[in-house]
Amino acid sequence: EADIYQTPRYLVIGTGKKITLECSQTMGHDKMYWYQQDPGMELHLIHYSYGVNSTEKGDLSSESTVSRIRTEHFPLTLESARPSHTSQYLCASSDSGTTIFEETQYFGPGTRLLVL
Amino acid sequence: GDSVTQMEGPVTLSEEAFLTINCTYTATGYPSLFWYVQYPGEGLQLLLKATKADDKGSNKGFEATYRKETTSFHLEKGSVQVSDSAVYFCALSAVANQFYFGTGTSLTVIP
Repeated sequence: EADIYQTPRYLVIGTGKKITLECSQTMGHDKMYWYQQDPGMELHLIHYSYGVNSTEKGDLSSESTVSRIRTEHFPLTLESARPSHTSQYLCASSDSGTTIFEETQYFGPGTRLLVL
Repeated sequence: GDSVTQMEGPVTLSEEAFLTINCTYTATGYPSLFWYVQYPGEGLQLLLKATKADDKGSNKGFEATYRKETTSFHLEKGSVQVSDSAVYFCALSAVANQFYFGTGTSLTVIP
């Protein structure tokens, strides 16, 4: 079973507020990811990280930012929340295996965000 | 580019029915293929995977075979249970750090 945690699980917040979604993993994985999952269930990669001090933008443009100061921690921040940010946010990490062909992503339980 | 196409849902089956969820892929290299399951209110859980052609991944009665000739990785289960109701995602990874997910197929199993 994967040890990857996200808090909060649910968040309701007003427009204009700053929020940080937390993600931590205890597996020692170098690679971590943030996905946005829309109501139609499709996953969109918004950020990823190869390791400490590495962050990259994903396929879907996002107004959020991320940081990776510690291997186990990959928080996502929205400086000013808007209703269009309402979604489910999934954090994942991956092991490298012995080759890239064995790399597998493990997911946290998700944060469901509602911006009023 | 790399992509995954999976069967659209929703799928509704009676308990003990046979399940197939189709998944085909496009990849420039030799991808690893995955099936993930998402139960209501939760994140995705790895269900099974296969890393090379003709490999069969299996777990909890589910199985899928990596077919290079048809670029497919269809998910099957011989007898579904109510507890299998969830959303199923097919995914591939052909390049390090790059995972591509299908749009998900919702399965409801009725008693």
